[in-house]
Amino acid sequence: DAGVIQSPRHEVTEMGQEVTLRCKPISGHDYLFWYRQTMMRGLELLIYFNNNVPIDDSGMPEDRFSAKMPNASFSTLKIQPSEPRDSAVYFCASSLGVAGTNEQFFGPGTRLTVL
Amino acid sequence: QKEVEQNSGPLSVPEGAIASLNCTYSDRGSQSFFWYRQYSGKSPELIMSIYSNGDKEDGRFTAQLNKASQYVSLLIRDSQPSDSATYLCAVKENRGSQGNLIFGKGTKLSVKP
Repeated sequence: DAGVIQSPRHEVTEMGQEVTLRCKPISGHDYLFWYRQTMMRGLELLIYFNNNVPIDDSGMPEDRFSAKMPNASFSTLKIQPSEPRDSAVYFCASSLGVAGTNEQFFGPGTRLTVL
Repeated sequence: QKEVEQNSGPLSVPEGAIASLNCTYSDRGSQSFFWYRQYSGKSPELIMSIYSNGDKEDGRFTAQLNKASQYVSLLIRDSQPSDSATYLCAVKENRGSQGNLIFGKGTKLSVKP
């Protein structure tokens, strides 16, 4: 298996622009997670899906962030408009089984820089 | 606010020594605990999970859990330079099926040759 795939790996954009991050989970996994990692706040859960349905989006910082999972093999995280404080590494992870109980496999991450 | 606390380090140990990493958590009802390792510039990867009080050993790694004290630790025996990384403690929230992992900010370990 190729593991969790994320694109792009690096994104540099200007404040106010729309940013779309993409994720392909491991085939057969029924949970997909979006995390954000910064030095100050560590690794934070933004949202997670079970069988393509959003279950908990309480970590989404504000309305500028949105996430979708149109099918079992694809998810997007969109930031519109982007701000410099959104600069971080965004990880997508997937797992099989109950959230937080089984191993979560992380993708390589997208390093986002908002100028 | 549920929290997972770790000493940020860096923790520096000589090659061959035992590295001891500690973690405390605030959610008394948590039942599942994990240690993830993250190399610089890479993504986290699971190295240990523990669910019951006591010790769990896997090769050079031993996870220790004390639910009464709300304390989890990771011991790395015969530390190697390749163990140099940031170690993230993660605790599953006690929210039934919806509970997800809360991560500590990590302890940076440096193993000196």
